[in-house]
Amino acid sequence: NAGVTQTPKFRILKIGQSMTLQCTQDMNHNYMYWYRQDPGMGLKLIYYSVGAGITDKGEVPNGYNVSRSTTEDFPLRLELAAPSQTSVYFCASSTGDTNQPQHFGDGTRLSIL
Amino acid sequence: AQSVTQLDSQVPVFEEAPVELRCNYSSSVSVYLFWYVQYPNQGLQLLLKYLSGSTLVKGINGFEAEFNKSQTSFHLRKPSVHISDTAEYFCAPPGTPLVFGKGTRLSVIA
Repeated sequence: NAGVTQTPKFRILKIGQSMTLQCTQDMNHNYMYWYRQDPGMGLKLIYYSVGAGITDKGEVPNGYNVSRSTTEDFPLRLELAAPSQTSVYFCASSTGDTNQPQHFGDGTRLSIL
Repeated sequence: AQSVTQLDSQVPVFEEAPVELRCNYSSSVSVYLFWYVQYPNQGLQLLLKYLSGSTLVKGINGFEAEFNKSQTSFHLRKPSVHISDTAEYFCAPPGTPLVFGKGTRLSVIA
């Protein structure tokens, strides 16, 4: 089972460049999430989606955009990369039931220089 | 909304020693709680969950947690750790989206 797949695994960007982090899941989950993880800071929610065509901001949305055109895909876009966006990014999905866990991808390690 | 507090940011322990990772939650009408584990260079995966019923919950890799309503705690325990248990552990209340604790880094020393 593939679960949640994130690409790329690693990327280095220059300040001001843009890129899209890809995330796809094959579990037919309605809910999808993007987190960033910085050392010692836990996970912070960037954006989430409760279904195709519906997205909402999380705790740290500035500098990011998302779209959800299909159930399977939830890409995260950085328009003007800044050093503060150097982080590890995780995509996750779930059924949306509060008694069910989230399923995570292996992350994208992004460095902005 | 519920929230959790992980009381220790780092826990070093020798191999084969017992370990307890602490998590306290804010009280609420109904309580579900999760523990996730993140091995190096991987995403999070579910370790165990408490939904209702028995307050002692068993998870993967020999871990267990006890839900204690009077102390509003859900501490994670393992009687004898292995090197392979070195990871970061996150406590989380239910909810969509989840709001994770800041994590506890368990380092097992040979």
